[in-house]
Amino acid sequence: EAQVTQNPRYLITVTGKKLTVTCSQNMNHEYMSWYRQDPGLGLRQIYYSMNVEVTDKGDVPEGYKVSRKEKRNFPLILESPSPNQTSLYFCASSSSQGFFGYTFGSGTRLTVV
Amino acid sequence: AQKITQTQPGMFVQEKEAVTLDCTYDTSDQSYGLFWYKQPSSGEMIFLIYQGSYDEQNATEGRYSLNFQKARKSANLVISASQLGDSAMYFCAMRTLDSNYQLIWGAGTKLIIKP
Repeated sequence: EAQVTQNPRYLITVTGKKLTVTCSQNMNHEYMSWYRQDPGLGLRQIYYSMNVEVTDKGDVPEGYKVSRKEKRNFPLILESPSPNQTSLYFCASSSSQGFFGYTFGSGTRLTVV
Repeated sequence: AQKITQTQPGMFVQEKEAVTLDCTYDTSDQSYGLFWYKQPSSGEMIFLIYQGSYDEQNATEGRYSLNFQKARKSANLVISASQLGDSAMYFCAMRTLDSNYQLIWGAGTKLIIKP
């Protein structure tokens, strides 16, 4: 089944403790992206990647890191999480050909206390 | 500037009625794609329907259809015979060459279906 697998679904952590949210897709998509969704602010892009070793900042990259060492994986790293990073996070992937939509992961609800 | 506008923050609709969710877009690109996504209370983002800027016919997927009016730059989602399970947030989004294929999102419409 074609899918984007995102883990964990739920995470509660403490301020300053480094964490990684994993994202993997099995569709051989070139394009991958991370979003955060906050009430009243909609979906905002954090980082995106056009292909392996090619990443770029989205609208709200501060406090986040990403890497794209393999085509299928695009982890999101919070080196020192803060309470303002409490949010719902989505990973998504897409073919770079044409205008096909993104396939989304199931989301990660992160709470930083 | 590229922008998606959804003017209906919330809607209540009686079960089995048809519902139209509004979406207008702004882009100077000639080539673009328009998408609708559904987000139920469980949180996942579900792709519903896609319309390309050069598609001459309106897209349809089961009970979903997209009323595409290019001259007016509108891409309204029509849900026929609404069901209780249609209650969710609905997002309109656009993807263009100029946006580097990134999705530009509307603020969403919260749809509640009344029994």
